[in-house]
Amino acid sequence: EVQLVESGGGLVQPGASLKLSCVASGFTFSDYWMSWVRQTPGKTMEWIGDIKYDGSYTNYAPSLKNRFTISRDNAKSTLYLQMSNVRSEDTATYYCTRGTTVLDFWGPGTMVTVSS
Amino acid sequence: DVVMTQTPVSLSVSLGGQVSVSCRSSQSLVHNNGNTYLSWFLQKPGQSPQLLIYKVSNRFSGISDRFSGSGSGTDFTLKISRVEPDDLGVYYCGQGTQWPWTFGGGTKLELK
Repeated sequence: EVQLVESGGGLVQPGASLKLSCVASGFTFSDYWMSWVRQTPGKTMEWIGDIKYDGSYTNYAPSLKNRFTISRDNAKSTLYLQMSNVRSEDTATYYCTRGTTVLDFWGPGTMVTVSS
Repeated sequence: DVVMTQTPVSLSVSLGGQVSVSCRSSQSLVHNNGNTYLSWFLQKPGQSPQLLIYKVSNRFSGISDRFSGSGSGTDFTLKISRVEPDDLGVYYCGQGTQWPWTFGGGTKLELK
């Protein structure tokens, strides 16, 4: 059974950094592109970016490219999202998803709240 | 970015009834490789989105044949027949043809 479990969310102050993790199981992690998607409190879905199966290539939403970094550790079957200089508009639930052109499995999400 | 416009915003349906959700993209979703990466997702209350349909009309593993997708180019439709209580929630379309992925605003399916 494919499972994706995110962690690392919480309350964070504006301007701070935060690193989210997603542990994958039930499939060969190193065979798949992986993506991050977030959902705002108003339920708007926003794609953050993705990473190639071997970690050699990443794509980002242009508005987030300078502050967010996606990486992976295939030995640990773990996907990461490094967020820097966070803003109130980054408040959202962050989902780890499998795939790139088709997002077939989603984790339960981890909530990030940016507030002073 | 490709803008995805979903209609209606909400739908009321009786159990056993049939509904359709429309999704229109601002640009053609036909990829250079000939595939059209239009997906439909259902987000049930308190849960993460789940994939229902991918590449316009392909049902994902374990998805009932009561769900069907159709369309081409810029106009797409999700049909749900014989609606059951477990179908209630918010439906989203999303495109993976052009980076960045973009999603529709969602259609909330409620019981009449």
